[in-house]
Amino acid sequence: EAGVAQSPRYKIIEKRQSVAFWCNPISGHATLYWYQQILGQGPKLLIQFQNNGVVDDSQLPKDRFSAERLKGVDSTLKIQPAKLEDSAVYLCASSLIGVGETQYFGPGTRLLVL
Amino acid sequence: AQSVTQPDIHITVSEGASLELRCNYSYGATPYLFWYVQSPGQGLQLLLKYFSGDTLVQGIKGFEAEFKRSQSSFNLRKPSVHWSDAAEYFCAVEHMEYGNKLVFGAGTILRVKS
Repeated sequence: EAGVAQSPRYKIIEKRQSVAFWCNPISGHATLYWYQQILGQGPKLLIQFQNNGVVDDSQLPKDRFSAERLKGVDSTLKIQPAKLEDSAVYLCASSLIGVGETQYFGPGTRLLVL
Repeated sequence: AQSVTQPDIHITVSEGASLELRCNYSYGATPYLFWYVQSPGQGLQLLLKYFSGDTLVQGIKGFEAEFKRSQSSFNLRKPSVHWSDAAEYFCAVEHMEYGNKLVFGAGTILRVKS
């Protein structure tokens, strides 16, 4: 079974530029998550989708971050404009619907904002 | 506020020695409890999870964890550590009252010396 795919793996941009990350979840997983993991911290949930609807985006900085999940499969996360403090690893995960379902994580995209 | 605490930022153990990584949570009722491992450049992999029932949970790679309600703890253990266990370990909780999202601790970096 193929895992969660993410691209790109690494990205370096200058502040105020924009960047987009892509995620392809495990086939059949209706729930998709984007996490931000800052160096030295645990992952923090940015947004959770169920199919193509948003379940939780309470911690998404909506003035600069946006995410979409068209057709309930792939998802993109965008930052525009980027700030220095956005330097982090962005992890995508997917799961089946339900309480306590295991979340399967992709390898992440490491973003460096200069 | 609800939180997950991993008191040890770094732990170093000798190969073959036993290991215990600590995790405490502060939630009103027992949440679902998870341990994930993250190797360098990799996504997070689930080691084990606890929902209810037997308080000693067996996981992959020879790991186990014990839930202690009285101490609000869910410590991870392994009887004999291998060099390949060097990684970062994250405790996480999920609670229906807070939208079923995973809340992670800050992680513990395990170093294994030969």
